Amino acid sequence: SAVISQKPSRDICQRGTSLTIQCQVDSQVTMMFWYRQQPGQSLTLIATANQGSEATYESGFVIDKFPISRPNLTFSTLTVSNMSPEDSSIYLCSVVGSRGDYGYTFGSGTRLTVV
Amino acid sequence: TQLLEQSPQFLSIQEGENLTVYCNSSSVFSSLQWYRQEPGEGPVLLVTVVTGGEVKKLKRLTFQFGDARKDSSLHITAAQPGDTGLYLCAGDAKTSYDKVIFGPGTSLSVIP
Repeated sequence: SAVISQKPSRDICQRGTSLTIQCQVDSQVTMMFWYRQQPGQSLTLIATANQGSEATYESGFVIDKFPISRPNLTFSTLTVSNMSPEDSSIYLCSVVGSRGDYGYTFGSGTRLTVV
Repeated sequence: TQLLEQSPQFLSIQEGENLTVYCNSSSVFSSLQWYRQEPGEGPVLLVTVVTGGEVKKLKRLTFQFGDARKDSSLHITAAQPGDTGLYLCAGDAKTSYDKVIFGPGTSLSVIP
C-alpha cells in the first residue's frame, strides 16, 4: 500500500495566522482526502482533493478557511487560515489503499495547537 | 443520514482479559473497516469485512460482519498492553465513491 509523508508533525501557532500542511504520497493516486480529528474524537472529512479540479468540501467546511492545493497526483496541501483556538486538532491526509482491502492509508497526522 | 455508533466509548481492562467492541448502524454498508490508532499516529487498517456473516481473524483479533451488514464486532482474546489504542470502525458512504464515514471510536487501555 501507499506510504504517506505528512508534515509538519506538530505546530503551535498564534491566533489569526495560517498554517499549510503538506502531504506527499509515494505513488500516484486519483483522490486524496483531508480529515480533522478534534481532541478525543473521531475523524471528520474536510474535503476530497482531485488533481486538476477544485476540492470538494463537506458540509461545515469552506474553501476560504481550508484552501487545498493538488498540483499533481502525488502531492497535496491543506491550509488552515485565520486560525482560532477552535482549530486546534489533528489534521490527517489519506488515500485509498489497494483495491483488495478497500481501506484507507493515512499519514501520521499534524497536531495543531492554536494559542 | 448514515451514522455509525460504537460501544463502549472507553474500556480499561487488565492484561489477559477478553473484550468485545461493537459497531452499529441503521444503514446497510457494502463493507466495514476496522482501524487502530495509536497516539501521535494516523489510523492503521486492521481488516475489511465485505460479506454479511463474514468472520475474519487476525491473530488474537476476531472480526464479524452482521448478517444484515448493519453492524460489526471486534473481539480481542487475551488482551496485551500493545493492543492499547483507539479502535475505529468505518463504512462506505452512499453519497460518494471511495468516501467512508467513521464511527466515534472506542478507546482501549490494557493495563499490564
